[in-house]
Amino acid sequence: GQSLEQPSEVTAVEGAIVQINCTYQTSGFYGLSWYQQHDGGAPTFLSYNALDGLEETGRFSSFLSRSDSYGYLLLQELQMKDSASYFCAVRGNSGYALNFGKGTSLLVTP
Amino acid sequence: DADVTQTPRNRITKTGKRIMLECSQTKGHDRMYWYRQDPGLGLRLIYYSFDVKDINKGEISDGYSVSRQAQAKFSLSLESAIPNQTALYFCATSDGTGGRYGNEQFFGPGTRLTVL
Repeated sequence: GQSLEQPSEVTAVEGAIVQINCTYQTSGFYGLSWYQQHDGGAPTFLSYNALDGLEETGRFSSFLSRSDSYGYLLLQELQMKDSASYFCAVRGNSGYALNFGKGTSLLVTP
Repeated sequence: DADVTQTPRNRITKTGKRIMLECSQTKGHDRMYWYRQDPGLGLRLIYYSFDVKDINKGEISDGYSVSRQAQAKFSLSLESAIPNQTALYFCATSDGTGGRYGNEQFFGPGTRLTVL
């Protein structure tokens, strides 16, 4: 089976840097993705890592270590609009279908 | 216009009723997915389809069925709704070409379903 673990809540101050960790167990691994979801809205894609290392997209970066079954999402220069839920997800043996973690609720305070 | 649309956006129904949730996409993607979201449980995969002739069960398919009427349409049915199927339902698509963009899933706005 597959399981993903991520913190349920994180709080950070506007302008700061925050890291959201994700550890996973999966019988097959084809990549780790991150999605953002504002309250009641549709999840939106942030990043995808298939190989070890850091991927940077603007203020957001994502890291993967396949040997440690671990990844993280790094958000820099936090803004109030970054308050949202963040989900890690893995592609396993069911082709391109995703298995999501339970999500991390990020609250950015002034 | 939105690339992935879902109808209805909100629905209240009674236990035992049959209900269909519809999803349409204009992205030209072959792969479509149905997820449900419950507070604190993240998104869980119900069914997925890689093309019109390919339907696969996901993690929580019991009590649900799907129909892939065309490349652009993927419907989810609850044959006899029960209260614990109250949830937010999302449809998603992907093109499956691999790499960063092939793995990106595009989500519809969701259907909030309440079963009384």
